[in-house]
Amino acid sequence: DTGVSQDPRHKITKRGQNVTFRCDPISEHNRLYWYRQTLGQGPEFLTYFQNEAQLEKSRLLSDRFSAERPKGSFSTLEIQRTEQGDSAMYLCASSRGRAPYNEQFFGPGTRLTVL
Amino acid sequence: QKEVEQNSGPLSVPEGAIASLNCTYSDRGSQSFFWYRQYSGKSPELIMFIYSNGDKEDGRFTAQLNKASQYVSLLIRDSQPSDSATYLCAVNGQGGSEKLVFGKGTKLTVNP
Repeated sequence: DTGVSQDPRHKITKRGQNVTFRCDPISEHNRLYWYRQTLGQGPEFLTYFQNEAQLEKSRLLSDRFSAERPKGSFSTLEIQRTEQGDSAMYLCASSRGRAPYNEQFFGPGTRLTVL
Repeated sequence: QKEVEQNSGPLSVPEGAIASLNCTYSDRGSQSFFWYRQYSGKSPELIMFIYSNGDKEDGRFTAQLNKASQYVSLLIRDSQPSDSATYLCAVNGQGGSEKLVFGKGTKLTVNP
């Protein structure tokens, strides 16, 4: 069990640029989640995939955000035209079970700083 | 009313004491409850989950769930300085949603 991995670990970008993050879930987990966490807050849900299907999206996920999981394995989260308010830790998690028995295991996160 | 509420702390306990962390939630239909530990600058780490009323013990950790009171707690016995972290309570989303809804976390400091 190698755990959830995320790349890059840190990203600094200028406002208006596009960024893309990658998440590789635990190999036998078919459920994958993206969250965003800002300082002093708990993680906030962004979106959920079961295999390659994106089944839930938060209202937080504006038109500038898009996520994919094309082959049901790794996932990417893209933010277009970044804004300073996008600065946060972007967390990916995976699980094997379905809700409510879906213990979610987080990766190390990608810390985004928008200048 | 926020969906998941925790005392933000900080909570400070001496080494060897019992640390008690509390969480309340608003959705009576919630069925699963999770405790995550998050060290500064790191990602959340799952340490306990509980689905049924009562207590669940795992080593020095005990999770307690009272669905009637919409209350879940985490007890840490024999607290160690390495337990110093922020503890996040999470509850499954409404209507069978796959998402977890998190509280803001309680910062725990264990003093040697």
